Amino acid sequence: AQSVTQLGSHVSVSEGALVLLRCNYSSSVPPYLFWYVQYPNQGLQLLLKYTTGATLVKGINGFEAEFKKSETSFHLTKPSAHMSDAAEYFCAVTPSASKIIFGSGTRLSIRP
Amino acid sequence: DTGVSQDPRHKITKRGQNVTFRCDPISEHNRLYWYRQTLGQGPEFLTYFQNEAQLEKSRLLSDRFSAERPKGSFSTLEIQRTEQGDSAMYLCASSLGYQGATNEKLFFGSGTQLSVL
Repeated sequence: AQSVTQLGSHVSVSEGALVLLRCNYSSSVPPYLFWYVQYPNQGLQLLLKYTTGATLVKGINGFEAEFKKSETSFHLTKPSAHMSDAAEYFCAVTPSASKIIFGSGTRLSIRP
Repeated sequence: DTGVSQDPRHKITKRGQNVTFRCDPISEHNRLYWYRQTLGQGPEFLTYFQNEAQLEKSRLLSDRFSAERPKGSFSTLEIQRTEQGDSAMYLCASSLGYQGATNEKLFFGSGTQLSVL
């Protein structure tokens, strides 16, 4: 069965520092991988996704993620954190054309 | 495009009562999903519709849960004989096509927060 594991339920970084949120997936078929973000009191929205092709995927708000098949990873990064990046981040995988399976989430806090 | 609407925003009920939630997807979206989210967890898949057909239902979903999308537009999720463990945020999402397509994504509603006393 397809699944994702997010390492670290809470990550705290200083403003301007590198953001790294870790995600490892398990899939018996080539996966489609996603990062969604949930800002306080808002619905989930897509940050970026990997389907096929280029393994480095760029998303909104300066985030990017790299699909590494050999490591079964899809870590999310941003070179310089902003206070507005504070949110809950969810890695997700879809094993088929239908449902998306979400990880348990990582809460990102930004220190001034 | 008015987004995905869910009603009500909050529902408080007593254990044993039945509750029904409604979701109105984005008008041209033929795919509709229900998820459940508890505090500190990611959304948990419940069920998926393509038009009016319910194509997948989570094996974790109790028989007390039922969902419909009678005309391929809005959907309802009913929970019968609610239990305290049903307390959660119930999320609805919609999309036009399948998630493997480059420009496809899920559009989520703000959810219905259920509290079972």
